Amino acid sequence: GQQLNQSPQSMFIQEGEDVSMNCTSSSIFNTWLWYKQDPGEGPVLLIALYKAGELTSNGRLTAQFGITRKDSFLNISASIPSDVGIYFCAGHTSGTYKYIFGTGTRLKVLA
Amino acid sequence: GAGVSQSPRYKVTKRGQDVALRCDPISGHVSLYWYRQALGQGPEFLTYFNYEAQQDKSGLPNDRFSAERPEGSISTLTIQRTEQRDSAMYRCASSYRTGDSYNEQFFGPGTRLTVL
Repeated sequence: GQQLNQSPQSMFIQEGEDVSMNCTSSSIFNTWLWYKQDPGEGPVLLIALYKAGELTSNGRLTAQFGITRKDSFLNISASIPSDVGIYFCAGHTSGTYKYIFGTGTRLKVLA
Repeated sequence: GAGVSQSPRYKVTKRGQDVALRCDPISGHVSLYWYRQALGQGPEFLTYFNYEAQQDKSGLPNDRFSAERPEGSISTLTIQRTEQRDSAMYRCASSYRTGDSYNEQFFGPGTRLTVL
């Protein structure tokens, strides 16, 4: 099935560093979502974005809805060990029921 | 309150057997989604219910896969004549409102299916 492209696929960073990841699509979306998945758990919503150019923060997390509506970015500032996990983007088009998820970015934080 | 629950959490079956996976959404949630998540991949949409109506089944891989939600609450995903390629994590999610405009989905813990 269709999956959005996320990069990087995985990253190791030092505690305290900032992290950036992105997600691209060949299709336009009305809503972009960012989820975090911990081992053995289902994805949990971090941030939802509703219009092109929107910049939204949730604590140390900041996400942006790309101007072209075909991409989105997630930044994590001052990473801590509990940021470890897999981050997924997802896109949704109004009037449809299907959510398309990305391939994931695996984050590992070195203390 | 209770979140989305799924059962069984793990299922091992032999090729050719039928399996039924259950999802119990958050009480009062209108929308219910089924996803399949292969190892190392993101969730892949399978099907969507609005109450008891299956309004999108475009993600079901083939006719061995079916789903129902007869009373608009609990849902069952059934895979007939299982094949090894069906091995994956099957996740259910529910949301409060109708799904054609965005509203937050809450995911269950999943059922890990292994077909030998």
